Amino acid sequence: AQSVAQPEDQVNVAEGNPLTVKCTYSVSGNPYLFWYVQYPNRGLQFLLKYITGDNLVKGSYGFEAEFNKSQTSFHLKKPSALVSDSALYFCAVRWVYGGATNKLIFGTGTLLAVQP
Amino acid sequence: ETGVTQTPRHLVMGMTNKKSLKCEQHLGHNAMYWYKQSAKKPLELMFVYNFKEQTENNSVPSRFSPECPNSSHLFLHLHTLQPEDSALYLCASSPRASGGGDEQFFGPGTRLTVL
Repeated sequence: AQSVAQPEDQVNVAEGNPLTVKCTYSVSGNPYLFWYVQYPNRGLQFLLKYITGDNLVKGSYGFEAEFNKSQTSFHLKKPSALVSDSALYFCAVRWVYGGATNKLIFGTGTLLAVQP
Repeated sequence: ETGVTQTPRHLVMGMTNKKSLKCEQHLGHNAMYWYKQSAKKPLELMFVYNFKEQTENNSVPSRFSPECPNSSHLFLHLHTLQPEDSALYLCASSPRASGGGDEQFFGPGTRLTVL
């Protein structure tokens, strides 16, 4: 079955330290991978995506993610965390198989808490 | 805020009530979506509309009835809901439903509580 997993419910990091939020996926065919962020009482905001090409993708607010096909991972990273980065982060995947594009499926989310 | 608006932002209703959620997108997109977000669960896709036509119903109970009068507006009509239907209902839009690489733009959601 097609799936996306975020193995950590919560990630804690001190302000100024690098952060990583993990995501792995399992799909048939070629994946399209996305990261979204959700602040309290808000909808999801798009951060970045991988479609094809360079495995390192840069997005909004200084975030980046690396597509690793062999490990089927798409971890979100930032060199220096800010308190304002504290939010709920969702990884999502769509895939193309047999010429058809399938629906977007989301992970369960990882709560990022950045301590001052 | 994004170009997707949702009203109301909060809704409390009894199990016998009928209410509607409204979504409007100002992005010129052709695809619109309803999602349900419950605590500790992945976002659940409910319905997909592409050029006003419903293209996906993800086994949603009939007490949820969507309506898409045009590409900019999407409604979710609610009737005889259950307490387990309490959740955050998110609307989203994208240029095309079939655009695999297109990101979706989300509204702020309607927090629904069913008593």
